[in-house]
Amino acid sequence: QSVLTQPPSASGTPGQRVTISCSGSSSNIGSNSVNWYQQLPGTAPKFFIYNNHQRPSGVPDRFSGSKSGTSASLAISGLQSEDEADYYCAAWDGSLNGWVFGGGTKLTVL
Amino acid sequence: EVQLVESGGGLVQPGGSLRLSCAASGFTLSEYSMNWVRQAPGKGLEWVSYITSSSTTIYYADSVEGRFTISRDNAKNSLYLQMNSLRDEDTAVYYCAREEGYYGSGRYYYFDYWGQGTLVTVSS
Repeated sequence: QSVLTQPPSASGTPGQRVTISCSGSSSNIGSNSVNWYQQLPGTAPKFFIYNNHQRPSGVPDRFSGSKSGTSASLAISGLQSEDEADYYCAAWDGSLNGWVFGGGTKLTVL
Repeated sequence: EVQLVESGGGLVQPGGSLRLSCAASGFTLSEYSMNWVRQAPGKGLEWVSYITSSSTTIYYADSVEGRFTISRDNAKNSLYLQMNSLRDEDTAVYYCAREEGYYGSGRYYYFDYWGQGTLVTVSS
């Protein structure tokens, strides 16, 4: 059971907007920034959103991150087939003295 | 180009030991904290261990505390994970990941580069 809670799956049709949630607690999301990682099938994770909402170069602006209190979310607008992947949220947990991840959300483009 | 290349994985019996290595290139390893993250087959990501640039601070996940030891040799541009008393549930792909950070007001950290992973299988 993961410390951060994500829905196991999400889906949408091309062009739709989809949101993936990530719920934590005061010791992790509530007091530290949230990062999101994308993992395409058979590949290593890749950093996708950092510091709650910042996008590294190469990540389309269709992707946006936000955080409020002890929850965070990743929104994808204008869904495309290449967005199909697993998405993980992560944050440092000051009580555990370690990084905690969400269980991952498998995004399917119908 | 930043590269992280893990090695040392393989098949080991329960109770056995294995030492993973992560070779870093394209950047100065001594300037970064590093982490190990694992992923069991068909499962999600699980953080394993963290080490600061000069090895002064080390943390472990509860699941590996007392059995795994993280270390680094900055002169050799290498990160290591010594795994002892291995259990079935340690079976996973192990990734090393570089930790980037902003240390000013409103500090934040993230894993900006990951290796391709090395598979550890614990089975009799």
